Amino acid sequence: DAKTTQPPSMDCAEGRAANLPCNHSTISGNEYVYWYRQIHSQGPQYIIHGLKNNETNEMASLIITEDRKSSTLILPHATLRDTAVYYCIVRDNYGQNFVFGPGTRLSVLP
Amino acid sequence: DAGVIQSPRHEVTEMGQEVTLRCKPISGHDYLFWYRQTMMRGLELLIYFNNNVPIDDSGMPEDRFSAKMPNASFSTLKIQPSEPRDSAVYFCASSLRRNNEQFFGPGTRLTVL
Repeated sequence: DAKTTQPPSMDCAEGRAANLPCNHSTISGNEYVYWYRQIHSQGPQYIIHGLKNNETNEMASLIITEDRKSSTLILPHATLRDTAVYYCIVRDNYGQNFVFGPGTRLSVLP
Repeated sequence: DAGVIQSPRHEVTEMGQEVTLRCKPISGHDYLFWYRQTMMRGLELLIYFNNNVPIDDSGMPEDRFSAKMPNASFSTLKIQPSEPRDSAVYFCASSLRRNNEQFFGPGTRLTVL
């Protein structure tokens, strides 16, 4: 069963913020939200993860709602190189595998 | 660190031939994962190792597939005999601990004619 729901595709203008949503309404208390992306012809790349607090790193910000049923990955200033498939994955830290769904295909347009 | 290294990057073979894919994980990582990606099924976990020991091979599609990790710096995924439906991109990933993020290699694109 899919634990997350993402829109199949999104467009974003270069230089603008890209906001990628993810629904995970059945998330349990010990499960983290992970984001990966896969640029064409490359392996998936880890972006960020969080449990309940918002997180930020050099690549992106992760905003998790207070009820933890949804989250948003924010790329603050999207570039053409951010065009990729973005995967939102829910996983605990006790041994669950990463299960990759179809993700969101983000196209950054010039 | 060079990251996860996979070879070959591309492999074209004929049905019935043996195929061996290779992976060198990031030094010091205790976990190694093999994934397969196809358009139809997306990215699927095949097997993973902890300290060179196979832990979960429930994703291996059938007996034609086998994986080994003879030491901490090398793993192989073998398909014998290969079939056209095995055509896919095969990724290797490694992580420091079970609950850490995984680092993926560039993948091997396998085409079985």
